[in-house]
Amino acid sequence: QQQVKQSPQSLIVQKGGISIINCAYENTAFDYFPWYQQFPGKGPALLIAIRPDVSEKKEGRFTISFNKSAKQFSLHIMDSQPGDSATYFCAATQSGFQKLVFGTGTRLLVSP
Amino acid sequence: GAVVSQHPSRVICKSGTSVKIECRSLDFQATTMFWYRQFPKKSLMLMATSNEGSKATYEQGVEKDKFLINHASLTLSTLTVTSAHPEDSSFYICSANRDYEQYFGPGTRLTVT
Repeated sequence: QQQVKQSPQSLIVQKGGISIINCAYENTAFDYFPWYQQFPGKGPALLIAIRPDVSEKKEGRFTISFNKSAKQFSLHIMDSQPGDSATYFCAATQSGFQKLVFGTGTRLLVSP
Repeated sequence: GAVVSQHPSRVICKSGTSVKIECRSLDFQATTMFWYRQFPKKSLMLMATSNEGSKATYEQGVEKDKFLINHASLTLSTLTVTSAHPEDSSFYICSANRDYEQYFGPGTRLTVT
């Protein structure tokens, strides 16, 4: 019940296209869902996060869509750029509990 | 923004020796920090939760006597890998909580020869 399932494992998108990464969770106590971007040899960087009281959050080219009833959330990267090529992790946690449960990661390659 | 640093970024040590990794929150105070381990092309594996002024809480399967954690101040947590062996070679990453968000350090690559 603590798992967060992430798909796809890898993704190749052409420059300018839309990258979509999906995550699903089981624990209905989760109430904070961040996305992290990680480049090789670096630590993860917080990209965008959402709480279940909203269905969508947009920051620049990055959008999180959240479906509470389906217990799913997704990251959309609009106008994908080669510089977006990285590994993306979704995560979930309970506020106050602080421990993050990570998805398995998606390796995104944006071809020029 | 919230900045977390780690030192060293890379370390090579001989089997049987100990190595200490520092994690600092540079522009905020963190009562809680976390230590992760990451294998190549894998997700982050939480090793322990470090609480300022108290004992760390280790995840199941993590040897507390091997991975010593000290959170001596609100801006510093240390991870000491004792009697390191080649199988301890990995990428170690710390993070610190500020409000509800977790900010990660740049990671430390440990190689045990």
